Amino acid sequence: EAQVTQNPRYLITVTGKKLTVTCSQNMNHEYMSWYRQDPGLGLRQIYYSMNVEVTDKGDVPEGYKVSRKEKRNFPLILESPSPNQTSLYFCASSTEGGESNSPLHFGNGTRLTVT
Amino acid sequence: SQKIEQNSEALNIQEGKTATLTCNYTNYSPAYLQWYRQDPGRGPVFLLLIRENEKEKRKERLKVTFDTTLKQSLFHITASQPADSATYLCARTGGGNKLTFGTGTQLKVEL
Repeated sequence: EAQVTQNPRYLITVTGKKLTVTCSQNMNHEYMSWYRQDPGLGLRQIYYSMNVEVTDKGDVPEGYKVSRKEKRNFPLILESPSPNQTSLYFCASSTEGGESNSPLHFGNGTRLTVT
Repeated sequence: SQKIEQNSEALNIQEGKTATLTCNYTNYSPAYLQWYRQDPGRGPVFLLLIRENEKEKRKERLKVTFDTTLKQSLFHITASQPADSATYLCARTGGGNKLTFGTGTQLKVEL
């Protein structure tokens, strides 16, 4: 089954404790992206990757890191999480990004709480 | 920056009626507009895409229009059912390698 898999689904952590949210897709997609979703603000892009070893900042990259060493995986790293990073996070992929018409395929989300 | 706006108020309609959701955008017309459905606690799911040079697109009970003069897209669900209850997001291309999403409109279809 074609899918984007995120782990974990729920995560509660404390301020400053490094964490990684994993994302994997099995569709051989070139483009992957991370979004966070907050009430009243909608989905905002954190980072994206056009292909392996190519990553770039989205609208809200501060406090986050990503890497794209393999086509299928795009982990999101929070080196020193803070309470304002409490949010619902989505990983997404598509055949190509940019100004293309490729629809995004989303994972089921990771709900992160930082205390 | 490219903005996209959706009515934040929930839309409540009766089963069998047509639901119409609105998406307005600013600045230049995007090459494409996309519509997604999101259920609580789940990731958005792609529904339809409409190109700038298309006036209307249909898929089963769904219809999307794109009016570049009004800078607006309308999303219609005909013969609505309680199972159509969800939040519907529109997204535009433009401004780099990304889609910019609206905040979504929650639809509730009542029996």
